[in-house]
Amino acid sequence: SQQGEEDPQALSIQEGENATMNCSYKTSINNLQWYRQNSGRGLVHLILIRSNEREKHSGRLRVTLDTSKKSSSLLITASRAADTASYFCATAPWAGSYQLTFGKGTKLSVIP
Amino acid sequence: DSGVTQTPKHLITATGQRVTLRCSPRSGDLSVYWYQQSLDQGLQFLIQYYNGEERAKGNILERFSAQQFPDLHSELNLSSLELGDSALYFCASSPGAEAFFGQGTRLTVV
Repeated sequence: SQQGEEDPQALSIQEGENATMNCSYKTSINNLQWYRQNSGRGLVHLILIRSNEREKHSGRLRVTLDTSKKSSSLLITASRAADTASYFCATAPWAGSYQLTFGKGTKLSVIP
Repeated sequence: DSGVTQTPKHLITATGQRVTLRCSPRSGDLSVYWYQQSLDQGLQFLIQYYNGEERAKGNILERFSAQQFPDLHSELNLSSLELGDSALYFCASSPGAEAFFGQGTRLTVV
């Protein structure tokens, strides 16, 4: 069953703009991860945020986690055409587990 | 390149048939996870193996089974295939800190 629900389902922006995607989940988690998938290819791990963390940065990515609201957001700053992909959040029930529960994903299109 | 190799990349087969999907994890990774991605169900965890032993089961049908061999490669066996089994099947391996996904096997059941 799907735990994470991303919002919006699709997002189209101009190159250089920021993209924000949101994710909500239902049960308690150890960590939340974001993945990128290009055109039905393999998933690429972007960032992991633990349940005791509130914000994390990696390059142009910024992730926030609000465990009281069971939600997370992924911000991609200064987007590029190469960022065009589907983005998924996934939750892990305990540390070191990759029995991940994925959301349905946000399809991001960055227009050059 | 994630270092996780899946074969074949594409597979087309008829209903009722049986297929085997293969996964070679990254060197040294003991855990292998299998996932199914379909249009209606999204990405779902199927099963995990750790060093040859089944560690966890998710939404895996009884018609599906998996195993992990002494060399740590894993196979996912799908039998009595139905049209609804058409999907992208991923395996992932993990050393603990993050998971590395293969490029997937696209299964089409006709």
